[in-house]
Amino acid sequence: DSGVTQTPKHLITATGQRVTLRCSPRSGDLSVYWYQQSLDQGLQFLIQYYNGEERAKGNILERFSAQQFPDLHSELNLSSLELGDSALYFCASSVDEATDSGNTIYFGEGSWLTVV
Amino acid sequence: AQKITQTQPGMFVQEKEAVTLDCTYDTSDQSYGLFWYKQPSSGEMIFLIYQGSYDEQNATEGRYSLNFQKARKSANLVISASQLGDSAMYFCAMREGYSGAGSYQLTFGKGTKLSVIP
Repeated sequence: DSGVTQTPKHLITATGQRVTLRCSPRSGDLSVYWYQQSLDQGLQFLIQYYNGEERAKGNILERFSAQQFPDLHSELNLSSLELGDSALYFCASSVDEATDSGNTIYFGEGSWLTVV
Repeated sequence: AQKITQTQPGMFVQEKEAVTLDCTYDTSDQSYGLFWYKQPSSGEMIFLIYQGSYDEQNATEGRYSLNFQKARKSANLVISASQLGDSAMYFCAMREGYSGAGSYQLTFGKGTKLSVIP
């Protein structure tokens, strides 16, 4: 158990719909990362939040957005869903402070999204 | 150019034998970190081992060791005494740079599917 909790584990939704994926980081971790894993694109970094603020952006579509709340949990919102958005979405967390060696990045079990 | 290259799409190993999974990387940063993750068929991403660019010793974690050759920019994962439960996808990943409370986003390779044969 990595200590990173993601819900829901599985989600099936129709094209055009909107879904929200939730992530609770490990206790003490300030940074949350979202990744997408699809068959054609592999594992891609989407976005990072650190202590409530957006820190880095990767290949995240404009239809997607995220936020991190004061209790450090994060949500990834996916809207106007398309068939190609079907993927495994991971959340990861790390301490990400100046004194951290950067060697601990743990992933949740992922949320399987199927768009039909 | 790919930043992380895993040249072995699939590999087979006999149970109890050792196996090496290849990973080469490309970065101009002096400070970086290399990770290996295991992804079983159930989908979760399991952290295995980490090697920092300034670490002089090869990292080891139980049956996992990382053969770090900095000049060659390679970070191969060695699994000793393979077990049936080691059958999974294995991903090499890199974190570039370090700027205090900076980003630790990872770049992943395409993975190697390891199958352990009884």
